[in-house]
Formats: sequence, C-alpha cells, structure tokens
Amino acid sequence: DTGVSQNPRHKITKRGQNVTFRCDPISEHNRLYWYRQTLGQGPEFLTYFQNEAQLEKSRLLSDRFSAERPKGSFSTLEIQRTEQGDSAMYLCASSLAQGRLAKNIQYFGAGTRLSVL
Amino acid sequence: AQSVAQPEDQVNVAEGNPLTVKCTYSVSGNPYLFWYVQYPNRGLQFLLKYITGDNLVKGSYGFEAEFNKSQTSFHLKKPSALVSDSALYFCAVRDPEGNNRLAFGKGNQVVVIP
Repeated sequence: DTGVSQNPRHKITKRGQNVTFRCDPISEHNRLYWYRQTLGQGPEFLTYFQNEAQLEKSRLLSDRFSAERPKGSFSTLEIQRTEQGDSAMYLCASSLAQGRLAKNIQYFGAGTRLSVL
Repeated sequence: AQSVAQPEDQVNVAEGNPLTVKCTYSVSGNPYLFWYVQYPNRGLQFLLKYITGDNLVKGSYGFEAEFNKSQTSFHLKKPSALVSDSALYFCAVRDPEGNNRLAFGKGNQVVVIP
C-alpha cells in the first residue's frame, strides 16, 4: 500500500494521559498536514509541514499539542494531558508541492480515532 | 479566511436518478475547490478539483462538478446514482494566495435508495 498510513487506528486513553500518533505520508510527498474531525463536522486544519519545517499552526493547536517531522518523512502528533474534548478522529494528509502556487492535492490517511475517558 | 457551506445534512436519491450535492464557498481570491468522499471508518478519498480553466470538472467514479463564480458555488453531480455512492461527501476550498490549509464544509450524507 503506497497511500498515507496512520497508526494506531484507534486509541483509548484516560483523561490526563499523554498520547502520540504517527503518520507515514506518501513517500515522495514533501508536505504533510494534520486535521481533526469531530462527529458531524468536516475536518479542521491543525498544522502543516513542508519537509521538516512546521510552517503553519492553527489556533486550535493548543500548547498541549505538539507535532514533529524530524527527517521530513514521517510525522508524530502528541497530545499531553488529554481532555475529553480531545476525543476526535485525527487525520493526516500529504501532498507534493511544486512551484510557488502549488496546485497540490492532499491525500488522506484513514485516521486515528482517539477516545478520552 | 476561506470557508465552505454545505446547506443540506442529508441527500436522499433513488438509484438511477441524478445526484446533486450542493456547495458554496467564500474566499478572498480565486479559489481552489475540491470534493472528497468518506466511507465509514475510512479516510477521505479525493474525487475531483477545480483550479482553473473549464468550469465543468470531471472526476472519479462518474462524478463531475461545475464551478460558478458568480454564485460562488461548486455543486457535485452524478447523472445516475448507484447504491455504492452512499457515503459522506465533503467540499473544501483553499485560497492559493494565502495559506495551504483546506477549509471543509460539514459534509453531506448521501443515501442512495435501491
């Protein structure tokens, strides 16, 4: 499978615990995005990387959230001191950006569903 | 900031009938527009996009969408719906002169009745 891969698919945790999700993008893609989707809503942008640089962060990304892409390949999203409101589907997407006005298509993984008890 | 509105929560259509899923957008510049489909427990699958050029865009699985700048709309259409088209459909917009984020609508559940 050469698509975007996310692990784990499901994560159940207790309030106050830390969790980490992993995303492996399509191999030649230089951009990687994180979105959050709650029930009945569309995905909401969290952050994105171009190679290893984190270029944009949403105000939704509180200081309990941190994302990394250390070698410009896979990325991790960590949530510290989880709260029940963090329960959602966390989606990763990747794209190949070429040129200043990149007409890139974002390809999504299946997501990690987080349940905070 | 860019935004998308999908006014209907659910669209019901009989198998074989035309399917339309509505989308209107708001963006400061010329928009990049996308449609994605989501099946249960699956990620979003790309269907089609409008960047520039012909206002009628053809995509995967027989879907097409028409960009209408004056009405700021990008409705998704399929001439003859299949039961397997039952899924959640999302419209998204990106401002190419601004940031790289996609702004999604809340989605439309499409139910194709056999």
